[in-house]
Amino acid sequence: DIVMTQSPDSLAVSLGERATIDCKSSRSLLYSSNNKNYLAWYQQKPGQPPKLLIYWASTRESGVPDRFSGSGSGTDFTLTISSLQAEDVAVYFCQQYLSNPLTFGGGTKVEIK
Amino acid sequence: EVQLVESGGGLVQPGGSLRLSCAASGFTFSSYWMHWVRQTPGKGLVWVSRINRDGSSTTYGDSVKGRFTISRDNAKNTLYLQMNSLRAEDTAVYYCGRDRDPAVVDYWGQGTLVTVSS
Repeated sequence: DIVMTQSPDSLAVSLGERATIDCKSSRSLLYSSNNKNYLAWYQQKPGQPPKLLIYWASTRESGVPDRFSGSGSGTDFTLTISSLQAEDVAVYFCQQYLSNPLTFGGGTKVEIK
Repeated sequence: EVQLVESGGGLVQPGGSLRLSCAASGFTFSSYWMHWVRQTPGKGLVWVSRINRDGSSTTYGDSVKGRFTISRDNAKNTLYLQMNSLRAEDTAVYYCGRDRDPAVVDYWGQGTLVTVSS
């Protein structure tokens, strides 16, 4: 199984500041045939199901604010919130979909400092 | 509007069975693969199972293989998860999700809580 490791477990950021979350996979998520990284990011607010933010490591889902961006390739990925808003308080998960079983990172809780 | 509504959760004793349902609306259900994903209270997400468009192909996570069965009824726009030989560690909120090819979950239901306890 591909193991997904997120860091940090939690972080507190001031409103308007940048938040950065890292995700590492135990093997490369880059598929050579199409040069795509099989990595997605989800946001989960308290009491709600997860919401898809980003797929193919850097493609923003429709309707997701452009302050959210994904980057990275191979085994190292980053989700960046460029200017944290109050509504961004949530837990963020990465997920690999290169191979079965699909696996998620442990989550990163983002709070306001 | 895409909607996924799970039902069938509840309290069950260890070794018991439960069948979850997920009613889909707002999209052509038969055109999409579907998933079940679970989340232990306060913990992370664990993928459970996936089914293709016509139900002929299924895959499972190791922790549920041989005990859980995913199925679908495209005429009723409904996804199912039959859970047998339940264990305490199966206690979780179970979400159904729509697959965005290849295997991203682009819509999630609100979840249904399954508690396995004596």
